[in-house]
Amino acid sequence: SAVISQKPSRDICQRGTSLTIQCQVDSQVTMMFWYRQQPGQSLTLIATANQGSEATYESGFVIDKFPISRPNLTFSTLTVSNMSPEDSSIYLCSVDAGDRGWTDTQYFGPGTRLTVL
Amino acid sequence: AQKITQTQPGMFVQEKEAVTLDCTYDTSDQSYGLFWYKQPSSGEMIFLIYQGSYDEQNATEGRYSLNFQKARKSANLVISASQLGDSAMYFCAMRENQGGSEKLVFGKGTKLTVNP
Repeated sequence: SAVISQKPSRDICQRGTSLTIQCQVDSQVTMMFWYRQQPGQSLTLIATANQGSEATYESGFVIDKFPISRPNLTFSTLTVSNMSPEDSSIYLCSVDAGDRGWTDTQYFGPGTRLTVL
Repeated sequence: AQKITQTQPGMFVQEKEAVTLDCTYDTSDQSYGLFWYKQPSSGEMIFLIYQGSYDEQNATEGRYSLNFQKARKSANLVISASQLGDSAMYFCAMRENQGGSEKLVFGKGTKLTVNP
């Protein structure tokens, strides 16, 4: 299994500002994922971050709004830029860390609960 | 079209009884994976169980088992001997390959309440 930590665990921000969320894993992983969960909703994939290459964004998400860094195999950051109240969500980092191969388990960090005023 | 369907927005079960949470999926891939996650009010996503499309046996992990019916495209989660701590949101998810990249697609979730 993988142990994933995220910072901050929660934050309250003013509109127009930016917040950078950090994700740290206790082992080296190839792929890291960032998800958003809006209030009362399911999870939606924002982007996939591979070390050494640019992140791949899903439809509806753009790099200018959600820039991602992946400097090494254990760390990634997601920035929520120029925030508006609609960005209020839980942001979750996730990694593949299967015991039987990389496809069988995907673990999540504890999440960052963001409120934008 | 929705790829993961969880038709039960909310479920109630008595403590110590078993409960089944429904999940159906839609995919044309031959190789895919199905996951169940638990999300308590704290917000963390806790991995419960995984079923690969080629796995012959239904997956089991402690009190959790996955009733995988491939022809019906269903992957129901069975929780035996429910406990008060099982009260949470439960999400079914499918891993699929889109454009050469693997991604998880989630259902809308089922809120389970375990009554004493």
